[in-house]
Parts: sequence; C-alpha cells; structure tokens
Amino acid sequence: NAGVMQNPRHLVRRRGQEARLRCSPMKGHSHVYWYRQLPEEGLKFMVYLQKENIIDESGMPKERFSAEFPKEGPSILRIQQVVRGDSAAYFCASSPPTIRRDTGELFFGEGSRLTVL
Amino acid sequence: LAKTTQPISMDSYEGQEVNITCSHNNIATNDYITWYQQFPSQGPRFIIQGYKTKVTNEVASLFIPADRKSSTLSLPRVSLSDTAVYYCLVDPRRGFGAGTRLTVKP
Repeated sequence: NAGVMQNPRHLVRRRGQEARLRCSPMKGHSHVYWYRQLPEEGLKFMVYLQKENIIDESGMPKERFSAEFPKEGPSILRIQQVVRGDSAAYFCASSPPTIRRDTGELFFGEGSRLTVL
Repeated sequence: LAKTTQPISMDSYEGQEVNITCSHNNIATNDYITWYQQFPSQGPRFIIQGYKTKVTNEVASLFIPADRKSSTLSLPRVSLSDTAVYYCLVDPRRGFGAGTRLTVKP
C-alpha cells in the first residue's frame, strides 16, 4: 500500500513564476491537509480538503495561494507569482474518512521543498 | 481551536527513558491527542494516539490525565536514532507547535 506521494520533491522558481505542488493521498483516504514548514519551525496548517470540497482554508493566504482536490487525480497546491518568502517545505498529509470529527491520525508525504530565487 | 505547548529541547542518553509533556489547555471534547516524530528533511511520522488514560504500543506510551489538559509521551530506553523533533497534535487545523527537539547522546 503506497504511502502519501508528493511531487516534485524539490522545486526552484524565480520570483513571479508559478509553483504547483502535487499530493496523492494514500489509497482509500479522502481527506487531505497541506502544511508549510520553515526551517527550525513547526508545521503551519494551510488548508483542509475532501474530494471536490475545500473544508477549511483559514491557514492559507488569501492571495496567490489556492488548493484543490478533484474527484480524480492528486490534490494540488498552487502558488502564483511566487516571492522569496514562499520558500519553504510544503507537506501534505492524508487521513481516512471517518464518521466523526477527524481524529488527527495523519499520514504524511516527504514534502516538496520550494526555493524561490 | 486548541493550542499546544511543549519544551523546546531535551537531552538524554542512550538507554534512558524520556518523557515529553505537552500542554493543551483548550482541548475540545472530541479532540484526540496524537504524537509525531520528524527527522530532518522528512515528513512527520505517527507515533501514538490516545483520548484518555494510558495507551501503549511497541514504541511508546502515552499518558493522559483525567482533565486531558496535558499529555506525556514516554519513550523507553532511547537510542541515538531517536534523536528527532517530537510534536503533539490536538487539532490538525491548528497545526503543529514548534515541537521538542530531543537529542540522544552516547
């Protein structure tokens, strides 16, 4: 059973370009979270999605950032017009569907490291 | 949404037991407490999860008092490979705090 797959693992962009980060959750998982991590810091929540729905995007900047989790295919975190401050590791996590509030047992990918020149 | 607080760092020696405590005063009734381990350049890895009292698995124990406002991760007989950052998580939408950087020395 493959784990959470993120790609690319490393991405270099120049200021003003777009970055697209992809996340394929574990088989059978319908919940996806995206987090951002700066060096020596914890993971900051960005967005929580279920298939075709954004459940909570309170941690995501209102401008330039967007996320989707289509019915088919991976979840995508898109950053438009990147700036140097967007340089970070972006982690995706998935969790299985649950009939009650999500328990917080998350399965993480290895992250995508974005460097903005 | 619940916020967590942990010691920034801890040092230990091989073979010792390590206890890391996390405070989560505003934990909600439905929240579970989950601990993760993260090595450099890797994603966090699930260690253990509990709701109340004590939970034990093959790698750790988790102690949760009755009021659930804190929890303690216990790692028995640590080795050098346990050097990592440890996070407690109460609400996935709150994100992770800074975690506890555990350094195990020979």
